[in-house]
Amino acid sequence: AQRVTQPEKLLSVFKGAPVELKCNYSYSGSPELFWYVQYSRQRLQLLLRHISRESIKGFTADLNKGETSFHLKKPFAQEEDSAMYYCALSWSGGGNKLTFGTGTQLKVEL
Amino acid sequence: GAGVSQTPSNKVTEKGKYVELRCDPISGHTALYWYRQSLGQGPEFLIYFQGTGAADDSGLPNDRFFAVRPEGSVSTLKIQRTERGDSAVYLCASSSNLYTEAFFGQGTRLTVV
Repeated sequence: AQRVTQPEKLLSVFKGAPVELKCNYSYSGSPELFWYVQYSRQRLQLLLRHISRESIKGFTADLNKGETSFHLKKPFAQEEDSAMYYCALSWSGGGNKLTFGTGTQLKVEL
Repeated sequence: GAGVSQTPSNKVTEKGKYVELRCDPISGHTALYWYRQSLGQGPEFLIYFQGTGAADDSGLPNDRFFAVRPEGSVSTLKIQRTERGDSAVYLCASSSNLYTEAFFGQGTRLTVV
């Protein structure tokens, strides 16, 4: 069975500081990894997926199969980055049938 | 509207009652998903429709839960004999196919008292 772990419930950083939201997974096959974001009073939305290798809103994430991690990073946090972030995994061929982590609340302070 | 619409936004029901939650996907999206999010948890997959058929219902917790999508558009999640443990936010999402970006609705918050 697949599992996604986000060890931090809350991460607080100052504006301009680097951000790293941790995500580890367990899955025996070749997973597809995603980051979803939920801004205050808005709906859940896709931030990025590892197969597209894009940088969205300055965020990047690299799939490390050796460490089974998919940490989300941004070099300089902005106030508008404050939100709830969920890491999610899809098994091979699973598409949008996702297993989510418990989420990390990012708070960017001035 | 352009997005996924879920009704009602909030539903309070008594233990043992039957409830229906509705999802209106984005027009033209053939794939539709239901997720459940309990307090402090991430969304949990319930069921996936491709067109009118339930292609994967492996996440439904028990036989009190059932979902339909008779015309391949609107979907209804039905919960019989509700229990307090069913209290959660029920999320619906749709996409043009299983592998393209899924767009989520705002959710229905179900409270069983």
